[in-house]
Amino acid sequence: NAGVMQNPRHLVRRRGQEARLRCSPMKGHSHVYWYRQLPEEGLKFMVYLQKENIIDESGMPKERFSAEFPKEGPSILRIQQVVRGDSAAYFCASSPLDLKAEAFFGQGTRLTVV
Amino acid sequence: DAKTTQPTSMDCAEGRAANLPCNHSTISGNEYVYWYRQIHSQGPQYIIHGLKNNETNEMASLIITEDRKSSTLILPHATLRDTAVYYCIVSEDSSYKLIFGSGTRLLVRP
Repeated sequence: NAGVMQNPRHLVRRRGQEARLRCSPMKGHSHVYWYRQLPEEGLKFMVYLQKENIIDESGMPKERFSAEFPKEGPSILRIQQVVRGDSAAYFCASSPLDLKAEAFFGQGTRLTVV
Repeated sequence: DAKTTQPTSMDCAEGRAANLPCNHSTISGNEYVYWYRQIHSQGPQYIIHGLKNNETNEMASLIITEDRKSSTLILPHATLRDTAVYYCIVSEDSSYKLIFGSGTRLLVRP
């Protein structure tokens, strides 16, 4: 049973470009969460999605960031017009229900904006 | 903001028990105590959680004080692979949002 798969593991973008981060939840999991970890800081909740629905995006920056979890395919975190401050590790987690005790995290995508 | 306070760092010798404390003096009656850890640059890993009673699983034990204002995570026989940042989180079981603080950086020495 494969765990939560994130790709790419490392992503380098120039300022102003778009970054697309993908997350495939564990088999049978229909809840996906995205977290961001700035250098030397703890993880911060960004968004909670179920299939085709955004349940809670209270942690998402108001501009340039969006997330989706389509009926088919992985969840996507999209960052438009990236800036240096977007450089961070982005972690995805999934769970079968909204029980965080069963939240399994992926290995993360490390975004570097140059 | 995190509702917990933890020491910034700790160390222990390999093979010995590692006892990681956490204060959560404002915990409410329906909030659980969760522990996660993050090994260098990897995604967080769930360890254990509890409400009132002490809990044990294959990874660790969780001791919660009677007044629930503090708890201790115990790794009974620490190994070098247990070197990580350990996060103590309090939250309602129905809540999906994990609020990570700064955690405790545990270094297991050979």
